[in-house]
Formats: sequence, C-alpha cells, structure tokens
Amino acid sequence: EVQLVESGGGLVQPGGSLRLSCAASGFTFSSYGMNWVRQAPGKGLEWISYISSSSSTIYYADSVKGRFTISRDNAKNSLHLQMNSLRAEDTAVFYCARESGSLGSFDYWGQGTLVTVSS
Amino acid sequence: DIQMTQSPSTLSASVGDRVTITCRASQSISSWLAWYQQKPGKAPNLLIYRASSLKSGVPSRFSGGGSGTEFTLTISSLQPDDFATYYCQQYNTYWTFGQGTKVQIK
Repeated sequence: EVQLVESGGGLVQPGGSLRLSCAASGFTFSSYGMNWVRQAPGKGLEWISYISSSSSTIYYADSVKGRFTISRDNAKNSLHLQMNSLRAEDTAVFYCARESGSLGSFDYWGQGTLVTVSS
Repeated sequence: DIQMTQSPSTLSASVGDRVTITCRASQSISSWLAWYQQKPGKAPNLLIYRASSLKSGVPSRFSGGGSGTEFTLTISSLQPDDFATYYCQQYNTYWTFGQGTKVQIK
C-alpha cells in the first residue's frame, strides 16, 4: 500500500524557517517524481514544487522561488521542503504528492501537515 | 502561466442527480487534465487523468471529457459520498489547479 506521511509543520514567526519531510513507503520511491502542494485555510490547492526521481529536474512556483528548496533522499525514501523567509501568506496545509509518471497527475497524496506563520 | 477556471463555484444537487462541472484552460492543454475530489480535512483524491481515464477503483458514475481548453467532469447519479469539493488540474506546463467546485446538498 502506498503511504506518504508528512511531518515538520508547526507555528513559526514571520521571517523564520521550517523544514518539512515526507516519508514514503509501499512503492519504489526512487522511480517517481514528487511534489509539494499547499492549501491555505478555506482556499484551493496550489502546486509549489516538483523534484524528479533522480533530483536532476526541479521546478518551483513563482510564489516560493528563492525561498523554498525541495530535496529528496532516495536511500531513505524521504522528500523534504526547506522553507525560509516565511510569510503570513505561507500559512497552509502542505501535502506531498506522488507524480504518476512523465510529469503527470498526482496519484497519491499524504495527509498533510499544517504550517502557521504568525507572530 | 496557464490559468484554470472552473464553473460553477458551488453546485446544489440532490442524491440521484446528474451533475456536470466545467473546467476551462487559458490555452490549449491537449488532454493533460486531471480531476480530484477533496472532502473536508482530507487530502485530495485523484479521480480522472488524461481528461477521461478513470483511476482504478473510482466508481464508474464519474466520467471526464473534453480536450484543448474545455473539459467536463460528470457524475451520472450523485451519491451521498459524492458531496465534496472537486478540482481540475492541468499538467501540460507545470501544474495548475482550478479554484474548486463545491457540490453541496440541495
């Protein structure tokens, strides 16, 4: 069974940093691209970052470019999102999601971790 | 950037109704479109990919259609478990979601 479990969310002050992790199991992690998607309270879904299976290709949404860094450790079946210079508007539930193949749809999602940016 | 616009934003319907949600892309995305269902407090769940392909395990009352810039998600006979928010997503160029359509009880 495919499982994605996010961790690392919490309360952080504006300008602060946080590192999210996503633990993957039930599939060959090193064969799939992975994504981070966020959802602000009461709002819709926003894709924010993609990393290919070998980490050779990385994309970011303009809203987080230069502040967030995606990475992965295939030996540990884990995905990470380093978030710096956090703003109030970054407050959201962050989901990791598996890309189904060839820059496609997201076929499995984690349960999400809440990040709150507030003083 | 490719923008995705869903209509309506909210839809009120009864169990057994046929329901159709529309998604329009700001430029052609061929058939690179997916539909997701999300229930409150839960992660999204993939229903349809490549505009009309049903993900394994998804009930056959869900169907998708369209290509280019206009797409539809149809629920042939609405069930109690289907009251949720639905999102379209383009993956022709990066990924962009529509703003969502909430299907609520009439």
